[in-house]
Amino acid sequence: DGGITQSPKYLFRKEGQNVTLSCEQNLNHDAMYWYRQDPGQGLRLIYYSQIVNDFQKGDIAEGYSVSREKKESFPLTVTSAQKNPTAFYLCASNSGRFETQYFGPGTRLLVL
Amino acid sequence: GQQLNQSPQSMFIQEGEDVSMNCTSSSIFNTWLWYKQDPGEGPVLLIALYKAGELTSNGRLTAQFGITRKDSFLNISASIPSDVGIYFCAGQLLSSNTGKLIFGQGTTLQVKP
Repeated sequence: DGGITQSPKYLFRKEGQNVTLSCEQNLNHDAMYWYRQDPGQGLRLIYYSQIVNDFQKGDIAEGYSVSREKKESFPLTVTSAQKNPTAFYLCASNSGRFETQYFGPGTRLLVL
Repeated sequence: GQQLNQSPQSMFIQEGEDVSMNCTSSSIFNTWLWYKQDPGEGPVLLIALYKAGELTSNGRLTAQFGITRKDSFLNISASIPSDVGIYFCAGQLLSSNTGKLIFGQGTTLQVKP
């Protein structure tokens, strides 16, 4: 089955802790994206990567970090510098600049 | 960052009624996408539009890419209870050299059986 997987479904973070959200795709897509969604709001872009070993900041990158060592994987780390991390995190991918983005099922991050 | 103006913010309708929602911007887009999101899930693509004036249907859904390239609408005919969810428009700016999308704030649809 081709698609985008995100894990875990729910993640709990303690104060001062870094946590990493997983995103994997087997669609052979070059580009991958991370979005944050808060209740009643649209999606805001955190980071994106158009090719392996390269990534760019989105609109709300502060307190987050990413890596793109493999085409299939684009993990997002929520660092302790992110003071309000509670949100729904969505990963997406597409095959190129003008192509449709497809989304994973999301990870909900909660702070203990 | 830039945003799209999506309206209405929410709708509560009777089953069987038609629904219309739209997105507008002051910027020019080369792609318009409409997604539906169920609670706790990722958005699912409904319709993709790539040409100004394009009118595309997907079952009971119809969407159009505005002729000015600055707006798009989505219509749902004969609504059913499973249409409940949040509908998002998204667009790619004509000036963009990446695959970045700009999203509307979403329209929450509730359908009364």
